[in-house]
Order: sequence, then C-alpha cells, then structure tokens
Amino acid sequence: EVQLLESGGGLVQPGRSLRLSCAASGLTFSSYAMGWVRQAPGKGLEWVSSISGSGANTYHADSVKGRFTISRDNSKNTLYLQMNSLRAEDTALYYCAKGTVPHNLGNAFDIWGQGTMVTVSS
Amino acid sequence: DIQMTQSPSSLSASVGDRVTITCQASQGISNYLNWYQRKPGKAPKLLIYDASNLGTGVPSRFSGSGSGTDFTFTISSLQPEDIATYYCQQYDTLLTFGGGTKVEIK
Repeated sequence: EVQLLESGGGLVQPGRSLRLSCAASGLTFSSYAMGWVRQAPGKGLEWVSSISGSGANTYHADSVKGRFTISRDNSKNTLYLQMNSLRAEDTALYYCAKGTVPHNLGNAFDIWGQGTMVTVSS
Repeated sequence: DIQMTQSPSSLSASVGDRVTITCQASQGISNYLNWYQRKPGKAPKLLIYDASNLGTGVPSRFSGSGSGTDFTFTISSLQPEDIATYYCQQYDTLLTFGGGTKVEIK
C-alpha cells in the first residue's frame, strides 16, 4: 500500500522559515513526480509546487515563487518543501501528493497524505 | 495563467438525483482535466482523470466529459456518501484547481 506521511508543520512567525517533509512508502519513489497542494482555512485547493521523478525539473505557483523550494531525496524516499519568508496568507493545510506520471508536474495526483498544518502568525 | 471557473459553488440535491457540475477553462486545455472529491477531514481523492477516465475503484455513477474549454462532471444517482466538495484541476499549463463545488443532501 502506498503511503505518504507529512511532517514539519507548526506555528511560525511572519518572515521566518519552515521545512516540510513527506516520507513515502510502498512505491518506487523515483518513478513518479510529486507535488505539494495546500488548503487555507475556508478556501479551496491550491497547487503549490511539483517536482519530476528524477528531481531535475521543479515548478512553483506564482504565489510562492522565489520563497518556496521543492526538492526530493530519492535515496530516502522523501519529498521536501523549504518555505522561506513566510506570510500570513501561507497559513494552510499542506498536502503531499503523488503524481500519476514521472515527468513534469505529474498530471494528476492519485495518492495524498493526510496533510500538515502551517500557521503563520505573530 | 489558466483560470478554472467551476459552477455552481454549491448545490443541494436529493438522494437518487442526477448532479452536474461544470468547469470552464480560460483557454483551451485539450482533455488535461481531472476531478477530485474532498470529504471533510479527509485528503482529496482522484475520481476522474484526463476528463473522462474513471479513477481506480471509483464507482461508475461518477463520470466526466468535455474537451477544450468546457467540462462536465456528473453523479448519475446521488448517494449519501457523496456529500463532499468537488474540484476540477487542469494540467495543460502548470496546475490550477477550480474553486470547488460543495454538494449537500436536500
């Protein structure tokens, strides 16, 4: 069974940094693109970032470009999201999700973690 | 950026009703369109991929159609367990989700 387990969320002050991790099991990790999707309180789903299976290609939404960086360690079956210069509007439940293909953004996300909550507040 | 406009934003229907949700892209996206179901407290679930293909283990009462800019998601016979918010998502250029449609039982 494929499982994704996020960690690293919490309460952080505006302007500070946080790194999210997503540990994957039950799959050949490097064979799939992976992504992060968030949902702010009372809002809809918002795609944040994606990374190809090899890690060679990364993509970020305009709302986080220049502040967030997605990466992966295929030897550890782990996906990361480095979040810098955090803002109140980054407050959300962050999901890690598995793409259905290895390349580009992953097309669709067929497996999701349970999410980790990030709260940006002073 | 490609914008995805979903309608309605919410609907109320009776058990057994046919439910239809539409999603319109701001530019043509071929069939690069997926549909997800999100129940409260649960992670999203992929229901339909590439506009019309049923996801793994998804009941056949769910279906999708469309191409280009206009897409439709249908529940042929609404069941109590279908109470959720449904989202479309394009992957033609980066990824964008629609605003969501909250489905309730009348």
